[in-house]
Amino acid sequence: DQQVKQNSPSLSVQEGRISILNCDYTNSMFDYFLWYKKYPAEGPTFLISISSIKDKNEDGRFTVFLNKSAKHLSLHIVPSQPGDSAVYFCAASAGNSGGSNYKLTFGKGTLLTVNP
Amino acid sequence: DTEVTQTPKHLVMGMTNKKSLKCEQHMGHRAMYWYKQKAKKPPELMFVYSYEKLSINESVPSRFSPECPNSSLLNLHLHALQPEDSALYLCASSQVGLGNQPQHFGDGTRLSIL
Repeated sequence: DQQVKQNSPSLSVQEGRISILNCDYTNSMFDYFLWYKKYPAEGPTFLISISSIKDKNEDGRFTVFLNKSAKHLSLHIVPSQPGDSAVYFCAASAGNSGGSNYKLTFGKGTLLTVNP
Repeated sequence: DTEVTQTPKHLVMGMTNKKSLKCEQHMGHRAMYWYKQKAKKPPELMFVYSYEKLSINESVPSRFSPECPNSSLLNLHLHALQPEDSALYLCASSQVGLGNQPQHFGDGTRLSIL
């Protein structure tokens, strides 16, 4: 039972264009969503997050959009750079109102390749 | 550079060996986590420690034994592992008590069981 789905295993874009990575979830209890980037031989690096009380969060070139009614979120990277090439994981947690007992549920990841 | 440090980076051990994985963070985080990641799969939670006490065990076999000796250190003791336990083991940490907080990961220990 996959509660967080990233249906595109890979995505290829040209440098300077927009990259859009998508994520769907099924658990309506999820209230906090994160995106991580992972290079080979490194651990996941936190990129950006969004709480379920918001529908958009922006940090520099990265913007995350949340559509709760559709149980869908997306990560926009603009402009895309070759250094952005990595695996991007969507993750979600439920009931984290400041406590520590929260479990991240990850999607399977999307490999983004940004071509020069 | 990651602020969560894991040692060793690579570990090869036999099924009868006893070894330990170590994780250290100096960000003042009071929650620490162990994850297991198999190739082409997402990380899967194993254990959560909160204020040095075990708060979540995701039904992990007893051949994996976690320990949190202080707020900066997290160990994972390994004994009598099976070949299917070969994976990347990731440690993470996060703040607590301040609303939603992201987990920050180390680079992992790649474990191979012979």
